[in-house]
Amino acid sequence: AQTVTQSQPEMSVQEAETVTLSCTYDTSENNYYLFWYKQPPSRQMILVIRQEAYKQQNATENRFSVNFQKAAKSFSLKISDSQLGDTAMYFCATSREYGNKLVFGAGTILRVKS
Amino acid sequence: DADVTQTPRNRITKTGKRIMLECSQTKGHDRMYWYRQDPGLGLRLIYYSFDVKDINKGEISDGYSVSRQAQAKFSLSLESAIPNQTALYFCATSAGTGEASGNTIYFGEGSWLTVV
Repeated sequence: AQTVTQSQPEMSVQEAETVTLSCTYDTSENNYYLFWYKQPPSRQMILVIRQEAYKQQNATENRFSVNFQKAAKSFSLKISDSQLGDTAMYFCATSREYGNKLVFGAGTILRVKS
Repeated sequence: DADVTQTPRNRITKTGKRIMLECSQTKGHDRMYWYRQDPGLGLRLIYYSFDVKDINKGEISDGYSVSRQAQAKFSLSLESAIPNQTALYFCATSAGTGEASGNTIYFGEGSWLTVV
């Protein structure tokens, strides 16, 4: 079975600063995908970034990047130049290669302060 | 317009009542899912369907049933609602697996259900 752990229930960061959200996971799969989803107060689930486990290069999407450490089963999200609109709940998730069923962590609330 | 549409968006119902949450999608995806979100627990999978004739239980299917009426429609029913089913419910879709789809799941806007 796959599990995902987000050890930081809440975090805050000043506008324009950088913040890192932690995520660790456990899986017996050789190939799998990792995701970060953002849920703003509107409650919509928005895909932020994804990483294929067989790719060594860390994924990057504009101000969002990940630090994927496969041996340590760690998948942290770095947000650079934080903006007020980044305030949201962030979920880390994983899925097996041959199946889209996502397993989620409990989430981290991020508050960006002006 | 949203690609994955859920109705109703908000509903209050009484204990013991039957309630149906509906989901329709215009993405042309074969795979559809129902998730439940509770504070501190993230999202958990209730049921999923990989095509019209395929229905599978997820992590927390007890007390729920589903119907896949068409490729684009997937409904979730609570036959006899109870207060601990108060939660935010998400429908989601995906194209499948492999590099092209990136194994990405797309979510609807959520349906907040309160059982009193």
